[in-house]
Amino acid sequence: ETGVTQTPRHLVMGMTNKKSLKCEQHLGHNAMYWYKQSAKKPLELMFVYNFKEQTENNSVPSRFSPECPNSSHLFLHLHTLQPEDSALYLCASSQGAGYTFGSGTRLTVV
Amino acid sequence: AQSVTQLGSHVSVSEGALVLLRCNYSSSVPPYLFWYVQYPNQGLQLLLKYTTGATLVKGINGFEAEFKKSETSFHLTKPSAHMSDAAEYFCAVSDQAGTALIFGKGTTLSVSS
Repeated sequence: ETGVTQTPRHLVMGMTNKKSLKCEQHLGHNAMYWYKQSAKKPLELMFVYNFKEQTENNSVPSRFSPECPNSSHLFLHLHTLQPEDSALYLCASSQGAGYTFGSGTRLTVV
Repeated sequence: AQSVTQLGSHVSVSEGALVLLRCNYSSSVPPYLFWYVQYPNQGLQLLLKYTTGATLVKGINGFEAEFKKSETSFHLTKPSAHMSDAAEYFCAVSDQAGTALIFGKGTTLSVSS
């Protein structure tokens, strides 16, 4: 248990489905992040939230929609994904220079 | 904008040999520097970090790294490799606390007996 919990651990979805990834932290951190890790690319920053407000969107396609209802929870809503969106999606939180990562959700788009 | 370059996508060493994983960064301000390890099908585990102060940083599992400003480097070392060290290693930089980490492409470490 790392302090950042991601669910589900694995997800298989069709290109027409809608699903959501969940991230939860009870570390008291005020910043939360979504990263994408695919086989042939480095860890790519997707979104940044500080105190529930989105402060960075790294040119992510609109089929990915983040939501941060409070400082402890972060969601990534998925719809009409493409096969190239298959990847490991990692959530992280931070306070100061302390960053903690979840174990990730392995997403497969079929 | 910050960036990180990890030289060598794959490093192979024998058990007991020195481990050296290279990382160079680019940052317009004094950086915060990190090394993470990732085992298969797991998330990222922090090995060590540099924020301020002593430039030689000791981390978990016998790893250490030295911040060299003049060389813009933060190389990771371990005197004697163990089989359990085989994993993916990522170097990361942020320009201040609370901003996102920017990662290098990673280095796969293989350890042979």
